[in-house]
Amino acid sequence: NAGVTQTPKFQVLKTGQSMTLQCAQDMNHEYMSWYRQDPGMGLRLIHYSVGAGITDQGEVPNGYNVSRSTTEDFPLRLLSAAPSQTSVYFCASSYSRFRDGLTYGYTFGSGTRLTVV
Amino acid sequence: DAKTTQPNSMESNEEEPVHLPCNHSTISGTDYIHWYRQLPSQGPEYVIHGLTSNVNNRMASLAIAEDRKSSTLILHRATLRDAAVYYCILNYGGSQGNLIFGKGTKLSVKP
Repeated sequence: NAGVTQTPKFQVLKTGQSMTLQCAQDMNHEYMSWYRQDPGMGLRLIHYSVGAGITDQGEVPNGYNVSRSTTEDFPLRLLSAAPSQTSVYFCASSYSRFRDGLTYGYTFGSGTRLTVV
Repeated sequence: DAKTTQPNSMESNEEEPVHLPCNHSTISGTDYIHWYRQLPSQGPEYVIHGLTSNVNNRMASLAIAEDRKSSTLILHRATLRDAAVYYCILNYGGSQGNLIFGKGTKLSVKP
């Protein structure tokens, strides 16, 4: 059971380049989300998904796209990287609420540290 | 999303109990109280969550006030590994709500 796996762990991009941050979970979690964390700050929600084929915007969605074609994967795409997107990105997942009458916490990946120059 | 208030920082001695407070005076009846911690250079880690009753697990205990307007995360014996930022978050229970992070409490543990 690997939990939430994020790749790559580190990435340097040039301004204007595009790339995809990968997130995969093997816990059959319906809910997945992406956060960014800037130095000395708390995490801010970028996009989230409550199931395959369903995505929605969070607090800071501009400059990012997501899709959810399978339950396991939730990739985050940077369309045209900007220095303001330099941050650490975390993916999280969880069961949907009240599965089997219980509620659950969220599992986070170890993060992708992205630098845009 | 309902807001929580936590002290910016706290200090503790190793092997002593730690009580981390959280105020959430605008909590609604369906909000669950979640606690996460983030060790340096790592992703957040789930600690515990609850709705009305006190909760215990292998990591910590969660004490919830009777009016639910405040809660306390209790680490029974702090270790150096417990030094982290602790986040108290209200999570809407009606559906799979998002976690909205504040700045949390930075816990330092002295040997």
